[in-house]
Amino acid sequence: EAGVAQSPRYKIIEKRQSVAFWCNPISGHATLYWYQQILGQGPKLLIQFQNNGVVDDSQLPKDRFSAERLKGVDSTLKIQPAKLEDSAVYLCASSLEDFSPLHFGNGTRLTVT
Amino acid sequence: DQQVKQNSPSLSVQEGRISILNCDYTNSMFDYFLWYKKYPAEGPTFLISISSIKDKNEDGRFTVFLNKSAKHLSLHIVPSQPGDSAVYFCAARGGGADGLTFGKGTHLIIQP
Repeated sequence: EAGVAQSPRYKIIEKRQSVAFWCNPISGHATLYWYQQILGQGPKLLIQFQNNGVVDDSQLPKDRFSAERLKGVDSTLKIQPAKLEDSAVYLCASSLEDFSPLHFGNGTRLTVT
Repeated sequence: DQQVKQNSPSLSVQEGRISILNCDYTNSMFDYFLWYKKYPAEGPTFLISISSIKDKNEDGRFTVFLNKSAKHLSLHIVPSQPGDSAVYFCAARGGGADGLTFGKGTHLIIQP
């Protein structure tokens, strides 16, 4: 089966600019997650979707971050405006159902200068 | 406040010997634990999991042990192979959240 697809792989922007990341989960996976991994840290959950509804966005900085899941399949994560501390790898993951293991994409490495 | 802790940033083990990676957690509501393996420039890949109703789960060379009273779990890899060199993340689910809470990871280095 094809894995979780993410694009772009790398992105370099200046602070105060905006950026968007795209994720295509494994076919049939109802649950989709966005994680932020800062260098030297473990992944931190930003938002979780079940189909096209938000289950948990308690750790999403909503003043600058937004996410949507179109028709319960693809998802985009946007940052506007970016700050230096947003430099991280943004990982998308999907799972077939609750309590099944998450499958991660290779991530997008964002550098904010 | 870190709810999942991996106190060893790195671990070096000789090829063929046993690798033991440790993880501690503070949230007693966690009921499902997972280990992920990560190579550079790739996303984490699922390795093995254990439910809180069990104390051991084995899959080939990998065994996870859970000690609920101590809020501690460990991953044993026997025998260790060069391809096992990677960063290993401990993760937990539960406590009212569906998403996983990850530790900071342990970089395992298998020496030839």
